[in-house]
Amino acid sequence: GAVVSQHPSWVICKSGTSVKIECRSLDFQATTMFWYRQFPKQSLMLMATSNEGSKATYEQGVEKDKFLINHASLTLSTLTVTSAHPEDSSFYICSARDGGVGYTFGSGTRLTVV
Amino acid sequence: QQQVKQSPQSLIVQKGGISIINCAYENTAFDYFPWYQQFPGKGPALLIAIRPDVSEKKEGRFTISFNKSAKQFSLHIMDSQPGDSATYFCAASMSTSGSRLTFGEGTQLTVNP
Repeated sequence: GAVVSQHPSWVICKSGTSVKIECRSLDFQATTMFWYRQFPKQSLMLMATSNEGSKATYEQGVEKDKFLINHASLTLSTLTVTSAHPEDSSFYICSARDGGVGYTFGSGTRLTVV
Repeated sequence: QQQVKQSPQSLIVQKGGISIINCAYENTAFDYFPWYQQFPGKGPALLIAIRPDVSEKKEGRFTISFNKSAKQFSLHIMDSQPGDSATYFCAASMSTSGSRLTFGEGTQLTVNP
């Protein structure tokens, strides 16, 4: 089946630094990838939708200058959290459509900003 | 119109019992209804999905019941096991390219041994 690999699985960074999270579709080409943020005991909140070769579409309230998304190829999308602060600490998850109607999710990245 | 309402928020079931989680949607353009299982610290994993042209789909112990006229769908877990303890999300989307998933609020299922 379709597999999406997300790295790193967890990261701790100092306040003010930037962190990059990678999301790769391993056995299919993903023209559209999605980035979510999830707080404890809550549902997934869509941050942005990225299409290969074009600018990402951000959801209302999501700072596009803080959460930089790059979808340079059909198998790789990256989320960079710039100038991270403790309030950016969260669980970030990527997802990709698998060529059909289904969506495959990465394993998530736990970001802790200290 | 994009909302998907899920209930209950939490559910406790004894081993061997039936777990039932319900969802309701508003957007009649939705034509793909998946259920995801999520364990702590992991991403959601597809459990089972249904299209609106069928009223029921069964895969092992998991069954989706779909009522198009009522705009409701539900997940039944038969013979629930402690290993089924997880958070379950219903979702809905359109099959058109680039469409997003709209998630329910989630149900935390606990199966007691």
